Amino acid sequence: ILNVEQSPQSLHVQEGDSTNFTCSFPSSNFYALHWYRWETAKSPEALFVMTLNGDEKKKGRISATLNTKEGYSYLYIKGSQPEDSATYLCASVISSGSARQLTFGSGTQLTVLP
Amino acid sequence: KAGVTQTPRYLIKTRGQQVTLSCSPISGHRSVSWYQQTPGQGLQFLFEYFSETQRNKGNFPGRFSGRQFSNSRSEMNVSTLELGDSALYLCASSLMAGVTDTQYFGPGTRLTVL
Repeated sequence: ILNVEQSPQSLHVQEGDSTNFTCSFPSSNFYALHWYRWETAKSPEALFVMTLNGDEKKKGRISATLNTKEGYSYLYIKGSQPEDSATYLCASVISSGSARQLTFGSGTQLTVLP
Repeated sequence: KAGVTQTPRYLIKTRGQQVTLSCSPISGHRSVSWYQQTPGQGLQFLFEYFSETQRNKGNFPGRFSGRQFSNSRSEMNVSTLELGDSALYLCASSLMAGVTDTQYFGPGTRLTVL
């Protein structure tokens, strides 16, 4: 994988459902994996920054896992609420020569229906 | 603590003009990164400044430039504007290196090029 990819592109769930999304990233020269939540008309909000293989982070009903060897991360939302509706972005560091840049996936747009 | 601020919030320019956008990071943060967000491309990294030095640069033409001042405030300049430069420009600040630290985003500047 040469880029950061997220799936699915969009998701509709009912209030109370649990859901998860996937972020795939290059596993070589791994530095960090970021998750952000971006609500309409607001700024992206940091959820997690993960650096260690096997890392698990939790913030309320949201949690994330990281597998740096195979290059993927999962974001889980337990008991989705309408206020969880947002685009969830992951970003990983892509190296190009000596330069490193945070490269974002295209996001998973989550809609939680009441 | 005050968040990241960006000015102006909205801007309309015509092709060929140049524009300067400003970003004030969270107090104490030394790294400022700039991103361009367009509907088709998602969030793309422009550059990162740390302690007044450009640390990393994305794949954008030389018309896009930036600088950082001693108080960590940053400006981004786009010369010879093209229609395709119409986008939301976001800056993000972090305590240290942007690629491994949590980034805090500003509200963005919406640039429209006519």
